[in-house]
Amino acid sequence: KQEVTQIPAALSVPEGENLVLNCSFTDSAIYNLQWFRQDPGKGLTSLLLIQSSQREQTSGRLNASLDKSSGRSTLYIAASQPGDSATYLCAVPFKAAGNKLTFGGGTRVLVKP
Amino acid sequence: DTGVSQNPRHKITKRGQNVTFRCDPISEHNRLYWYRQTLGQGPEFLTYFQNEAQLEKSRLLSDRFSAERPKGSFSTLEIQRTEQGDSAMYLCASSFRSTSTTGELFFGEGSRLTVL
Repeated sequence: KQEVTQIPAALSVPEGENLVLNCSFTDSAIYNLQWFRQDPGKGLTSLLLIQSSQREQTSGRLNASLDKSSGRSTLYIAASQPGDSATYLCAVPFKAAGNKLTFGGGTRVLVKP
Repeated sequence: DTGVSQNPRHKITKRGQNVTFRCDPISEHNRLYWYRQTLGQGPEFLTYFQNEAQLEKSRLLSDRFSAERPKGSFSTLEIQRTEQGDSAMYLCASSFRSTSTTGELFFGEGSRLTVL
C-alpha cells in the first residue's frame, strides 16, 4: 500500500531558528513530490515541486531535498519567522496509483516571536 | 484572478439535503481533481478528470457523490442526501499534464460543508 507519513505532527520553534520538516513514503516509484502550505481554514498553497529525477529544489528561504531510494524528503525553512506558522503537507503521485496525489497528515508549525 | 476558484466557500445544510459545489480551474489546465479533508488530516483523493472525461473515482466515494466536468472547463461536485459524516472541506485542484509526468497541482480555497 502506498502511504506518506509526516513526523512530527506538530513542531514549535523560536523565531530565527531553522525548520526541518520530514516526509517519508513507502514506494520509491514516484513521478515527483510536492510540498504545500496550509493556513487554518484555507486551501493549499504549492511551495515546491521536485521531479523524480531531481535531488533538491530551492525557492527563497525554502529548500527541499528528495532521496527516492530511502523514500524520504526534507523541507528546510531558513531563519523562521512567525509568518511561517502553518501546516506543511507533502504529497506524492505514486506510479502504481495513477496520477493522483497521496498526502501525508501534515506537520503543524508554530514559530514563536 | 487566475487561480482555482471554488464556490460556495461555506455551506451549512441539514441532514438529508443535497448540496453542490463548483470549481473553476486555471484556464489552460486539462486536469481537475477533487479532494476531501477533515480536521487534522491530509486531503483524501475523491476523483479526477482529464478534460471532460472522469478517469478515476476513489472507492471512498459513495453513490451519493457525483462529479461532472461537462465541457472540460468548470466542474461540479454534488452530494445527495447529506449525512453528518460528509462534513469536511472539499478541495479542488487543477494541473496541466503534457506528456508523461503529473504536473504541479494548484488548489483552490476549498468549500467547507457543515451538515447539521
